[in-house]
Amino acid sequence: DAGITQSPRHKVTETGTPVTLRCHQTENHRYMYWYRQDPGHGLRLIHYSYGVKDTDKGEVSDGYSVSRSKTEDFLLTLESATSSQTSVYFCAISASSNYGYTFGSGTRLTVV
Amino acid sequence: GESVGLHLPTLSVQEGDNSIINCAYSNSASDYFIWYKQESGKGPQFIIDIRSNMDKRQGQRVTVLLNKTVKHLSLQIAATQPGDSAVYFCAENRGETSGSRLTFGEGTQLTVNP
Repeated sequence: DAGITQSPRHKVTETGTPVTLRCHQTENHRYMYWYRQDPGHGLRLIHYSYGVKDTDKGEVSDGYSVSRSKTEDFLLTLESATSSQTSVYFCAISASSNYGYTFGSGTRLTVV
Repeated sequence: GESVGLHLPTLSVQEGDNSIINCAYSNSASDYFIWYKQESGKGPQFIIDIRSNMDKRQGQRVTVLLNKTVKHLSLQIAATQPGDSAVYFCAENRGETSGSRLTFGEGTQLTVNP
């Protein structure tokens, strides 16, 4: 997807280990979001950022933390991965409030 | 809790027919709505949006209708093609002040039969 890159695309990790997912944008958008997507649950917001060092929790934030030290990068950390965090994670960006998002291609995370 | 939902989880149509995908929302304060398309293995892609001061908006082969009275949103796809096969999500922005926060429905799987 133009202007937004997620890394890694796939990751397998062990229970109890920390994991960091990266979202990088080249659009200079103010807002960035992390969602997880699971069958039967659709897309659920984990955390979001409305500026550098400005972040807030979404509906499923337990077990996750985020950091945004510069406009272009938004990191999602699973502090101690659990099997329930096996999911597809999507990053999204938005230029302004009340506008649509552009999504990245996703990171498929498997916790074994 | 409040959520955006879809009436039908799956929809199967013949190529060339028109498709209608429905969505119900529950928050009357929502002022912005979007339809996304997600193909297998990819991230959601923006299709069309509509603001609450409108009832209808048209794009290329797609039309979104908003009925605020019954809190209903629909996506119409004209002359459906095999490439339209995907999961379609509606999303609403509840107008919260701390940034745009979209809430997504669970999606409708559209299958186009040749």
